[in-house]
Amino acid sequence: AQSVTQLDSHVSVSEGTPVLLRCNYSSSYSPSLFWYVQHPNKGLQLLLKYTSAATLVKGINGFEAEFKKSETSFHLTKPSAHMSDAAEYFCVVSAESYSSASKIIFGSGTRLSIRP
Amino acid sequence: DAGVIQSPRHEVTEMGQEVTLRCKPISGHDYLFWYRQTMMRGLELLIYFNNNVPIDDSGMPEDRFSAKMPNASFSTLKIQPSEPRDSAVYFCASSNGGREPQHFGDGTRLSIL
Repeated sequence: AQSVTQLDSHVSVSEGTPVLLRCNYSSSYSPSLFWYVQHPNKGLQLLLKYTSAATLVKGINGFEAEFKKSETSFHLTKPSAHMSDAAEYFCVVSAESYSSASKIIFGSGTRLSIRP
Repeated sequence: DAGVIQSPRHEVTEMGQEVTLRCKPISGHDYLFWYRQTMMRGLELLIYFNNNVPIDDSGMPEDRFSAKMPNASFSTLKIQPSEPRDSAVYFCASSNGGREPQHFGDGTRLSIL
């Protein structure tokens, strides 16, 4: 069975400080992992993806995530937050193939707020 | 390069009316997904298609909901009759299958009065 847990429903940081959004997963298969961002009144946009290549994945807008199999984690980080980073972030786990819908799991989301 | 296109962006209608949401996936993508997003339940997968064939509709809440994909470039999600609890944002997404990520449209905000 697959599952994904976003450990914080809301994270607030000051502009210019580091961002850490935490995600833990479980999967019976070799997982693909993704982070998406959703700005208000918009659809989800892919930030980055892990598909069993390098464990440190770089994405758009300065974000990166590290796949740690021993910790079953895929935390999202950014060295310096910008006001435009304020949004909802979703961690997603997917099986190797879309053989059934239950293998596409979205986390419950983390709302990131940026203080001036 | 056009993304996933959904229409309408907003829909307000009275309960009991039929509602049809439309989606044009990215050209060449062979998977299409319909999601519903609410504050209470988050993002829910309703149904997905592969090569225009419905693969899993276990997320469709009840028989009032139906989805079709008559060709590779068009899909509809229909609610008949609509109820106030159907109010939500409905997203369509497409992907190239396998381990590729999904590309989302901007959603349809549906309000049932």
